[in-house]
Amino acid sequence: QQQVKQSPQSLIVQKGGISIINCAYENTAFDYFPWYQQFPGKGPALLIAIRPDVSEKKEGRFTISFNKSAKQFSLHIMDSQPGDSATYFCAPTGGLLNYGQNFVFGPGTRLSVLP
Amino acid sequence: DTGVSQDPRHKITKRGQNVTFRCDPISEHNRLYWYRQTLGQGPEFLTYFQNEAQLEKSRLLSDRFSAERPKGSFSTLEIQRTEQGDSAMYLCASSSPSGRAGDTQYFGPGTRLTVL
Repeated sequence: QQQVKQSPQSLIVQKGGISIINCAYENTAFDYFPWYQQFPGKGPALLIAIRPDVSEKKEGRFTISFNKSAKQFSLHIMDSQPGDSATYFCAPTGGLLNYGQNFVFGPGTRLSVLP
Repeated sequence: DTGVSQDPRHKITKRGQNVTFRCDPISEHNRLYWYRQTLGQGPEFLTYFQNEAQLEKSRLLSDRFSAERPKGSFSTLEIQRTEQGDSAMYLCASSSPSGRAGDTQYFGPGTRLTVL
């Protein structure tokens, strides 16, 4: 069974600080690496995503970096704001259909940004 | 609102009853996914449709669960003989035909099921 692991499980950051969340995967066929953001009572929403042809992508305060050899990718949130307080999921995907094993979400990281 | 919609938003039922949820994807999206999410966990894949064809189904999915997408537009998820362990948020997502399966999924608000 495919494994997707996230760390840390929870994170508390002061306003203006940097939040870093990591995702590790096993399936080398994955070729799309997104991060989703979920607020309580809402469905997840895509935050930022990367394909393996680049090692880093930045969109505003959010940066995703990818390490193919380590089978890891991470989310960096610069100048963290209280409004960033949410749960973040990585959901790498790609490869052949295989009983849903390429539709796997990580267990989530709960981020709290203190004002 | 042109996003993914789900109905109902909340459902309370008694153990042993059948329930059905509906999902309306973004209109031009041909891919539709169902997930289940319990408190403090990530979404767990249930099934995937491309147009009206059900192409993927989780091995872990009980036979009590069935999903349809008869005309390739809206989808329904039915749970027969509900159990307390079925209590969860049921999420629907859709994605564009221009990408590949699993690429950028747009999620609905979910249906929260409580089985008493």
